[in-house]
Amino acid sequence: KAGVTQTPRYLIKTRGQQVTLSCSPISGHRSVSWYQQTPGQGLQFLFEYFSETQRNKGNFPGRFSGRQFSNSRSEMNVSTLELGDSALYLCASSFMTGGGVTEAFFGQGTRLTVV
Amino acid sequence: DAKTTQPPSMDCAEGRAANLPCNHSTISGNEYVYWYRQIHSQGPQYIIHGLKNNETNEMASLIITEDRKSSTLILPHATLRDTAVYYCIVRETNTGNQFYFGTGTSLTVIP
Repeated sequence: KAGVTQTPRYLIKTRGQQVTLSCSPISGHRSVSWYQQTPGQGLQFLFEYFSETQRNKGNFPGRFSGRQFSNSRSEMNVSTLELGDSALYLCASSFMTGGGVTEAFFGQGTRLTVV
Repeated sequence: DAKTTQPPSMDCAEGRAANLPCNHSTISGNEYVYWYRQIHSQGPQYIIHGLKNNETNEMASLIITEDRKSSTLILPHATLRDTAVYYCIVRETNTGNQFYFGTGTSLTVIP
């Protein structure tokens, strides 16, 4: 079974631009979450999508947004990029059961550098 | 917010068992203990999780104390490829696909 696929792997953008990152979850997984990882703040939860609906959101400004498509693929968008947005962005997919989520499977991440 | 306390770093000799401790003194009855690891610049990898019984899989063993206030992840025969940051996470399974990572333990396996 293929793992979680994130594209692109590396990206360089200029301050003020916007960026869209993509995540394809494991087949059959309908829950997708996004995380930001920086050396200073560690791994931080951004938001979670399930069946095309945002279920949970972390403490990030409105410049960070996401969506999920009917095939469970997800995108996240960051508008008006700032230097501090430089980070590794990780996507995690899970199989949601009646009891909730057991383990999450992470992709390799997209390394975003803002210059 | 992270509800766990882990030592920031540990060393282990190759071939020996690596025992990584985690304190979670405020754990509630329906919260599980999860362990993930992250090898440099890769996505976190699921290792194991448990509620109150000890658990073992092909990667590791998880020992949870009877009062559930602490746990230990055991890598029985550490290899150089086990060098990574190990995260102990406490969460309920019905909180969705949302994990709160703390600072973890940086394990270095020494040849």
